[in-house]
Amino acid sequence: QKEVEQNSGPLSVPEGAIASLNCTYSDRGSQSFFWYRQYSGKSPELIMSIYSNGDKEDGRFTAQLNKASQYVSLLIRDSQPSDSATYLCAVYPNQAGTALIFGKGTTLSVSS
Amino acid sequence: GAVVSQHPSWVICKSGTSVKIECRSLDFQATTMFWYRQFPKQSLMLMATSNEGSKATYEQGVEKDKFLINHASLTLSTLTVTSAHPEDSSFYICSARPRYMGNQPQHFGDGTRLSIL
Repeated sequence: QKEVEQNSGPLSVPEGAIASLNCTYSDRGSQSFFWYRQYSGKSPELIMSIYSNGDKEDGRFTAQLNKASQYVSLLIRDSQPSDSATYLCAVYPNQAGTALIFGKGTTLSVSS
Repeated sequence: GAVVSQHPSWVICKSGTSVKIECRSLDFQATTMFWYRQFPKQSLMLMATSNEGSKATYEQGVEKDKFLINHASLTLSTLTVTSAHPEDSSFYICSARPRYMGNQPQHFGDGTRLSIL
């Protein structure tokens, strides 16, 4: 059973702080990794994709990937109350045409 | 780019009614679309994988005769909840993966909130 694990939280950070979200996955053959944000009552929204080891930055977001450790993380700098949401880590298994495997999500709360 | 349109966004109907939900990829072709269900405060649950021109693949525990999926074109998949009952009330979300795009992410529709009275 291929799995993606996330700490469910809630993760609480003050406004302006760095939020760090972590994810591990079980399929060593996975090559594609994504972070989605889901606000309460809304559908998931893609915020980051990462395919190779290292860091990838996009604005206040940085995704980090370590395939040897089977670990993906998302850093949110200068956290804002509007970042309060559930963050879903998603991984494509090493099998063509199949759906993303999602973690259960980490709930982030940013207090002003 | 990569817009997925889902319709309707909200449905309220009586028990026993059948409800059809449409999912369209507006600016890309999608050989494969996915249907998810999400109950309040719970995680996404994949219901089925919809393949253009062939039968859908259902996840374990999902009744294929109750949740009918049709993927008649490269831009349209439909989910029909047949003879819906209150326990079918949930948030249904479709997702599409661009054709020929390898490991590109899935893009989600805005979801359909279904309430069965």
